[in-house]
Amino acid sequence: EVQLVESGGGLVQPGGSLRLSCTASGFTVSRNYMSWVRQAPGKGLEWVSGIYSGGSTYHADSVKGRFTISRDNSKNTLYLQMDSLRAEDTAVYYCAREGVGYGIYYGMDVWGQGTTVTVSS
Amino acid sequence: SYELTQPPSVSVSPGQTASITCSGDILGDKYACWYQQKPGQSPVLVIYQDNKRPSGIPERFSGSNSGSTATLTISGTQAMDEAEYYCQAWDSSTQVFGTGTKVTVL
Repeated sequence: EVQLVESGGGLVQPGGSLRLSCTASGFTVSRNYMSWVRQAPGKGLEWVSGIYSGGSTYHADSVKGRFTISRDNSKNTLYLQMDSLRAEDTAVYYCAREGVGYGIYYGMDVWGQGTTVTVSS
Repeated sequence: SYELTQPPSVSVSPGQTASITCSGDILGDKYACWYQQKPGQSPVLVIYQDNKRPSGIPERFSGSNSGSTATLTISGTQAMDEAEYYCQAWDSSTQVFGTGTKVTVL
């Protein structure tokens, strides 16, 4: 079964750090484009970071310089290292698999259940 | 930065057609996708590549994308279709979600 399971969320103080994990089953993370998407309480979806199969990474302007996306191929796991956290980073964080090939985009077809990050003192 | 605008809400009677628009600068030159999200659940892809349905998505969901507007159409709307819907635009330099539309089936 194709599945994504996130973990690592929790309560952290402003300025603190947190690392989210997303473990995949049923497919290989390194062969796909993977992204992190977040949703603040009562708000819409916001793309945060992405990593291509080739290893190139991309981040939204709102998190650039503070968040880092990476993966561990041996563990088939995606990560999001979040530093210098702010109150506005409070959200449910989802990881998602995306289909991208030869310039064609196939959307985010597999999503995890989400992990909650709360930034508060 | 690139922005996508959706109407905050759409109401539809059971069995009728619901249309949700998504507006963005030259959106027709990008790929548009649509996601359905029910309360407390993760989003589900319902349309990709402007007008294609993933396996398992009912035929009543269809999409189009031209000019500056992408449209999600739900034909013969059912009570189970009540949810929040988000559009998404993608190209090599753009990755953004729309503001979301709450579809209410009255």
